Amino acid sequence: KQEVTQIPAALSVPEGENLVLNCSFTDSAIYNLQWFRQDPGKGLTSLLLIQSSQREQTSGRLNASLDKSSGRSTLYIAASQPGDSATYLCAPRGNTPLVFGKGTRLSVIA
Amino acid sequence: ETGVTQSPTHLIKTRGQQVTLRCSSQSGHNTVSWYQQALGQGPQFIFQYYREEENGRGNFPPRFSGLQFPNYSSELNVNALELDDSALYLCASSLGQGWPEAFFGQGTRLTVV
Repeated sequence: KQEVTQIPAALSVPEGENLVLNCSFTDSAIYNLQWFRQDPGKGLTSLLLIQSSQREQTSGRLNASLDKSSGRSTLYIAASQPGDSATYLCAPRGNTPLVFGKGTRLSVIA
Repeated sequence: ETGVTQSPTHLIKTRGQQVTLRCSSQSGHNTVSWYQQALGQGPQFIFQYYREEENGRGNFPPRFSGLQFPNYSSELNVNALELDDSALYLCASSLGQGWPEAFFGQGTRLTVV
């Protein structure tokens, strides 16, 4: 059974900092991994989809890496802004639907 | 804006009642999945529909049921509501089976009192 852990659970940083969010998963037999953003009480916004054959995927100030063999993914956010404040969720997908961790709650202070 | 819309956005029900939540998938997407997200937790998979057939189910009791219509929109029905059913219910659509990118709606906040 796939289990997902996200560290840290919460993070508060000053505006402009570069930061890394970590995601680990127990079953490395995945096809892809998706990173999402969730604002309080809202739905999920897809940020990046990284295929199991890829090592990295980039979109603007976001960069996700995937090390399938070690069961790890990281989301790198460059030059953080107050508008980046949200909960970030990772979800690997194997022969099952998406499995989510509890997320990392990010606060970027102006 | 993902193109996945859910209704209603909020509702309050009494324990023991029944509720129906609705989801319109993104244009062209034939797969719909439903998730339950309790406060402070990640979403939990309820079930998935592909071309009107249920083709996957999570660890939820039979009082959670669903439908998918020919236009690929979907309903989630919950009977005999319990207090623990209070949660944000999320619908996700994708194109085809397998492992495509999933796009989520804004969710329905259900409160059971």
